[in-house]
Amino acid sequence: EAGVAQSPRYKIIEKRQSVAFWCNPISGHATLYWYQQILGQGPKLLIQFQNNGVVDDSQLPKDRFSAERLKGVDSTLKIQPAKLEDSAVYLCASSFRGSYNEQFFGPGTRLTVL
Amino acid sequence: GDSVTQMEGPVTLSEEAFLTINCTYTATGYPSLFWYVQYPGEGLQLLLKATKADDKGSNKGFEATYRKETTSFHLEKGSVQVSDSAVYFCALIGSGNTGKLIFGQGTTLQVKP
Repeated sequence: EAGVAQSPRYKIIEKRQSVAFWCNPISGHATLYWYQQILGQGPKLLIQFQNNGVVDDSQLPKDRFSAERLKGVDSTLKIQPAKLEDSAVYLCASSFRGSYNEQFFGPGTRLTVL
Repeated sequence: GDSVTQMEGPVTLSEEAFLTINCTYTATGYPSLFWYVQYPGEGLQLLLKATKADDKGSNKGFEATYRKETTSFHLEKGSVQVSDSAVYFCALIGSGNTGKLIFGQGTTLQVKP
């Protein structure tokens, strides 16, 4: 079974530029999560989708971050404009359904904002 | 709000030593508790879990017991190997939650031969 795919793996941009990350969850997984992991910290949830609807985006900085999940499969997370403090690893995870089902994580995208 | 606190690392042990990584949590109700592991260059993987008080989760020689009275979920292994070198994260999903994982800050384990 293929795992969660993410691209790109690494991205370096200058502050105020925009960037987008892509995630393809495990086939059949209805729930998709985006987490932000700052160096030395645990991951923090940014947004959770159930199919193509948003379940929780309470910690998403909506003035600069946006995310969508077209047709309930792939998802894109965008940052515009980026700030220095956005430097982090962005992790995508999926689960068969939400609540207490195991979440499977992708390898992450490491973003560096200069 | 809900939170998780882990012992600070790094933890350095010799092969075959006993491992304990402390984890305590703050949450209302009855959360589910998890340990995730991140090996070098790899993504986060679920190591073990426990969903109710006094449950013991176990996998690959690792164990953790859900202690409601001390709000703890300490990770233990009787004899570590070099291949156990990784970052370990304690996490919870709050009761009635949609599935959002709340993580501790992670503890780096280095095992020397």
